[in-house]
Amino acid sequence: GAGVSQSPSNKVTEKGKDVELRCDPISGHTALYWYRQSLGQGLEFLIYFQGNSAPDKSGLPSDRFSAERTGGSVSTLTIQRTQQEDSAVYLCASSLNRVDGNSPLHFGNGTRLTVT
Amino acid sequence: AQTVTQSQPEMSVQEAETVTLSCTYDTSESDYYLFWYKQPPSRQMILVIRQEAYKQQNATENRFSVNFQKAAKSFSLKISDSQLGDAAMYFCAYRSLETSGSRLTFGEGTQLTVNP
Repeated sequence: GAGVSQSPSNKVTEKGKDVELRCDPISGHTALYWYRQSLGQGLEFLIYFQGNSAPDKSGLPSDRFSAERTGGSVSTLTIQRTQQEDSAVYLCASSLNRVDGNSPLHFGNGTRLTVT
Repeated sequence: AQTVTQSQPEMSVQEAETVTLSCTYDTSESDYYLFWYKQPPSRQMILVIRQEAYKQQNATENRFSVNFQKAAKSFSLKISDSQLGDAAMYFCAYRSLETSGSRLTFGEGTQLTVNP
């Protein structure tokens, strides 16, 4: 596709349930990032992928959060036993080249997660 | 760790006027990139302008320009001839070239309102 695609656009789940958020990056982009944006706040880094490996997971807030990337393309962010504080917009971004700081991040439209 | 600060939670401007959004950052690195992103209600982050730290010349993109003061660690965005479509949340972001993954570190954002 032309841009970064995220699904679902919106997700409402009950506290304690598991959710999966999907990100389909721009074709050929080797770097992929997940960010979380709470209401009215800036973006909080979660995890970075280079290809299928995740050299930086330092932003994951707890062991309930995990992510994987297969085939160097699609990534899935999984939140287990969701809590109300997990409610936020989850944004995915991809980049052509991680070492070239001039290669901008291209963002998807995000998934708005609401935990009731 | 790098930090980015946007001291103006909200700003407003009259259509066709000029507005400046402030951003400061803290880093011990000498080489990095700075960005301004725009986030309309659609949630998608749109790159507005970028600046390489090693370049003294301020970046310009049509009606958008920056005032980059490296010694002061300041990176303000000037929007000239403001248009209704400029209304959005604006985020300043820092990108390290030294840490793994070259992640973006974002400020808290400035909500810009354009009055007709």
